[in-house]
Amino acid sequence: GAGVSQSPRYKVAKRGQDVALRCDPISGHVSLFWYQQALGQGPEFLTYFQNEAQLDKSGLPSDRFFAERPEGSVSTLKIQRTQQEDSAVYLCASSARDRYNQPQHFGDGTRLSIL
Amino acid sequence: DQQVKQNSPSLSVQEGRISILNCDYTNSMFDYFLWYKKYPAEGPTFLISISSIKDKNEDGRFTVFLNKSAKHLSLHIVPSQPGDSAVYFCAALISNFGNEKLTFGTGTRLTIIP
Repeated sequence: GAGVSQSPRYKVAKRGQDVALRCDPISGHVSLFWYQQALGQGPEFLTYFQNEAQLDKSGLPSDRFFAERPEGSVSTLKIQRTQQEDSAVYLCASSARDRYNQPQHFGDGTRLSIL
Repeated sequence: DQQVKQNSPSLSVQEGRISILNCDYTNSMFDYFLWYKKYPAEGPTFLISISSIKDKNEDGRFTVFLNKSAKHLSLHIVPSQPGDSAVYFCAALISNFGNEKLTFGTGTRLTIIP
């Protein structure tokens, strides 16, 4: 389809394992965002890419979290040595950058459960 | 520190009546506000937005009102329909050509009673 695609939809991992979450943004969208949504909360900003450049990673909760977008399209969020508090839905959003305040379009998220 | 607050976790409204969802913010630097709608197991979907230079924006059944002095905005849905049942998130941003990261509230679950 033409929307933001995220995979996998669900991921279960044991504490201490590494995980990788993928985001395929809308074609041509320059801006890409990652958010973390804990149960009963609103999404919280993690990091922002403009093309392949990671311009803001102020929301990443620890150095165990790493994101990349090497060719300015698909992005991967990696979490190393997962902890139980990493359990959440991880949302990816993309937007065009041809004018101010373009709405962000979200994928359906990856629900991560750490056992 | 919650910069965007939605103090009503849930709201039930009769079909055909008006639904009013409220949102408050504390950061005076926010200059653009959005409402997103979320169904279970889906990502948030953009609904309507408003710039801080306006006090009202309307799109079909949806109207957003902004009161800058009170740092308050509201979403009105008239008439409410069963398909409007969802979680509604208020979000705010500081305009920046590029990194317009969203700050979300905690959401209000709207249930439309047939």
